[in-house]
Amino acid sequence: DAKTTQPNSMESNEEEPVHLPCNHSTISGTDYIHWYRQLPSQGPEYVIHGLTSNVNNRMASLAIAEDRKSSTLILHRATLRDAAVYYCILRAGGSNYKLTFGKGTLLTVNP
Amino acid sequence: NAGVTQTPKFQVLKTGQSMTLQCAQDMNHEYMSWYRQDPGMGLRLIHYSVGAGITDQGEVPNGYNVSRSTTEDFPLRLLSAAPSQTSVYFCASTPGRSGIRFFGPGTRLTVL
Repeated sequence: DAKTTQPNSMESNEEEPVHLPCNHSTISGTDYIHWYRQLPSQGPEYVIHGLTSNVNNRMASLAIAEDRKSSTLILHRATLRDAAVYYCILRAGGSNYKLTFGKGTLLTVNP
Repeated sequence: NAGVTQTPKFQVLKTGQSMTLQCAQDMNHEYMSWYRQDPGMGLRLIHYSVGAGITDQGEVPNGYNVSRSTTEDFPLRLLSAAPSQTSVYFCASTPGRSGIRFFGPGTRLTVL
């Protein structure tokens, strides 16, 4: 399975943009990049996913490098409610069951 | 829609006891799965189901059984609880082949 590498922790200030990096140098051509987050004492929550092109939704943006070996989750204006563990996960195209969660990045948002 | 619901929220068992963690979804998703999360770790897949009547093992299936008699329900059974099964358990459902997981709120299980 292709692995992802994320920083253990990051800090940001409220109302500032946050860029959460993820390296996946062994990604295959059919792997989707998924991002989830987990707020304290809650189940994980889907954030965004993409294959090759950059993606935007109401929660965040996903910027994918041209060679697809890295990606960045962008929170445009961090709020205190964005403090969570963020997981970057690769999902093999055509496979629904294989979603391997690593330890993720713990994002702290300072007021 | 209630989404994915799990019961109970908390449970304490003694070693050797059995119990069933309940999971239900009202979104008509074919795919459902169970994960466990231990302190400071990511989620690990226990069992999954691609539809009613079909189940398969994930990374850490030992000590757990599942069945899927309906699309809505996917219970997880612990036949003889062990302290190593102390964990938080999450159930998830997935629409179609999107790979997007909708997670329940979790069950916190302690085995003494």
